[in-house]
Amino acid sequence: SQQGEEDPQALSIQEGENATMNCSYKTSINNLQWYRQNSGRGLVHLILIRSNEREKHSGRLRVTLDTSKKSSSLLITASRAADTASYFCATDTFSSGAGSYQLTFGKGTKLSVIP
Amino acid sequence: EAQVTQNPRYLITVTGKKLTVTCSQNMNHEYMSWYRQDPGLGLRQIYYSMNVEVTDKGDVPEGYKVSRKEKRNFPLILESPSPNQTSLYFCASSLSGQGTGETNEKLFFGSGTQLSVL
Repeated sequence: SQQGEEDPQALSIQEGENATMNCSYKTSINNLQWYRQNSGRGLVHLILIRSNEREKHSGRLRVTLDTSKKSSSLLITASRAADTASYFCATDTFSSGAGSYQLTFGKGTKLSVIP
Repeated sequence: EAQVTQNPRYLITVTGKKLTVTCSQNMNHEYMSWYRQDPGLGLRQIYYSMNVEVTDKGDVPEGYKVSRKEKRNFPLILESPSPNQTSLYFCASSLSGQGTGETNEKLFFGSGTQLSVL
């Protein structure tokens, strides 16, 4: 089942502007991750935020997590044309009893940064 | 170089002809997984493996098989492919899958296999 849902589906901005993408999910999670995908290529991990964290930074990336609202946001500051890609959130569920771990992805936000 | 290697990159086949997509990682990762990506549907998990000889169904396992006889390899088998299995497939691995939130849970992805079933 699709756990995360990104919003918006597509976003077009000018170079230098900030880009904000949102992710909502349905059930309790252990952690939330954000990935980036250049057209047709494999996904690349950007950042992981734990369920007990509220905010995390990595370079020009800022991720927030609100577990009460079951939502996360990814902010890319001072965007560049090279940031053009699709961005996915992924939520994990781990069952120690069943010994299972699943990472479920949303449908992604397609970001276009215009030079 | 640390990587996840999938082969082939492109594959065109006909309905009913058995095929295998190979996946190999050189990072000694315990956790491996297969996803398919379709327009408008995002990535959906097919099967995953917590370790050698341990596999489990994801969200869309019908029509697929996997095996994990060695730690590094996790092949995806389509016994009788059908046109609705036309998709972009990704193999991925991580050091572990224990829900602890450590960076060893980030997934490394292969370059993908574009499969067309005619």
